[in-house]
Amino acid sequence: GAGVSQSPSNKVTEKGKDVELRCDPISGHTALYWYRQRLGQGLEFLIYFQGNSAPDKSGLPSDRFSAERTGESVSTLTIQRTQQEDSAVYLCASSPVMVGELFFGEGSRLTVL
Amino acid sequence: GESVGLHLPTLSVQEGDNSIINCAYSNSASDYFIWYKQESGKGPQFIIDIRSNMDKRQGQRVTVLLNKTVKHLSLQIAATQPGDSAVYFCAENSGGSNYKLTFGKGTLLTVNP
Repeated sequence: GAGVSQSPSNKVTEKGKDVELRCDPISGHTALYWYRQRLGQGLEFLIYFQGNSAPDKSGLPSDRFSAERTGESVSTLTIQRTQQEDSAVYLCASSPVMVGELFFGEGSRLTVL
Repeated sequence: GESVGLHLPTLSVQEGDNSIINCAYSNSASDYFIWYKQESGKGPQFIIDIRSNMDKRQGQRVTVLLNKTVKHLSLQIAATQPGDSAVYFCAENSGGSNYKLTFGKGTLLTVNP
């Protein structure tokens, strides 16, 4: 499709397990973002990738969180040793420019039991 | 710290009425603002944006007003329809080359038929 694609759409895991969330941005979009959205809350910035520049990881809440991006394509967000407070919707967005409209995916809903 | 906030967490209107959703921001360096609409279970969808060199911008049935003096942003929806029911977020870019959008907590708009 033409939009941002995220998988899985839903993930239920046990506390202490690792999870990987995937994002396929819109082709040609150089900027890619990960945001976290807790139930009934706004979006919390996690990490930003722009081309081949070093990513901005300033929003990652702990060292259990990491993300990678292959060139200007797929990104994976990894959460190690998941905790219940990690339960949220993880949203990926891409943009063709550094400052401008973000195009969001449908999100990956993570539930940690 | 700097933050984006909303005056009204919920808004209920009758179909056909006009809706006004308000947002206050505290970072005077912010120069780009976006309104997003998020329907249940979906990612945020771009509605309209405005840069700080403007005080009004119109789209289809929507108008964004920016008052930099009091750091206030509003989204006006004309002839509100049931399909407009969603959570609306304002987001700000805090100036210069800052690529991070800071989101408010959102306003839930409910349109009654």
